[in-house]
Amino acid sequence: DTGVSQDPRHKITKRGQNVTFRCDPISEHNRLYWYRQTLGQGPEFLTYFQNEAQLEKSRLLSDRFSAERPKGSFSTLEIQRTEQGDSAMYLCASSSSEARETQYFGPGTRLLVL
Amino acid sequence: KNQVEQSPQSLIILEGKNCTLQCNYTVSPFSNLRWYKQDTGRGPVSLTIMTFSENTKSNGRYTATLDADTKQSSLHITASQLSDSASYICVAHSGYALNFGKGTSLLVTP
Repeated sequence: DTGVSQDPRHKITKRGQNVTFRCDPISEHNRLYWYRQTLGQGPEFLTYFQNEAQLEKSRLLSDRFSAERPKGSFSTLEIQRTEQGDSAMYLCASSSSEARETQYFGPGTRLLVL
Repeated sequence: KNQVEQSPQSLIILEGKNCTLQCNYTVSPFSNLRWYKQDTGRGPVSLTIMTFSENTKSNGRYTATLDADTKQSSLHITASQLSDSASYICVAHSGYALNFGKGTSLLVTP
């Protein structure tokens, strides 16, 4: 399967714990995006990388959230001191640099904070 | 503020019937408009993409329209199948980010 992959698919954690999610984009894609989606809502943009550079961050990305893409390939999203409101599906997408890029989404990581 | 509004919120139709989903957007600057299909527990999958100069785009039984003047788009599904049951999300592309609607939840029943 050469699509976008995410790990883990599900994560249950206690409030206050730290969690880290991984995204592996399509190999030839240099753009990588993180989104958060809660039940009944569309995905909300969190942050965007072009290669290893983090070019944009949403105001939704509080200081407890950090994303990295150190080698311009896979990316990690870490949430520190999780809160119940962090419970959501975290989606990763990747695209090429073409003008009419299509973002290809991974299956998501569903986080539940107890 | 960039906004994408979709209607109806949910829809139930019989297998074989047609349906139309609506999307209104206020996004600036506007690059293109996409419709995504999202199955439960899965990531969204792109169905169509249209720029402001394109009025209609088809992908099999899916036909999307775009009126850039009124900032409205529709997704028409012909001869629905049970596998069409999903959330259909309208997305207006502006800059780096995609502005997502909340989606229309479609259920196709036998």
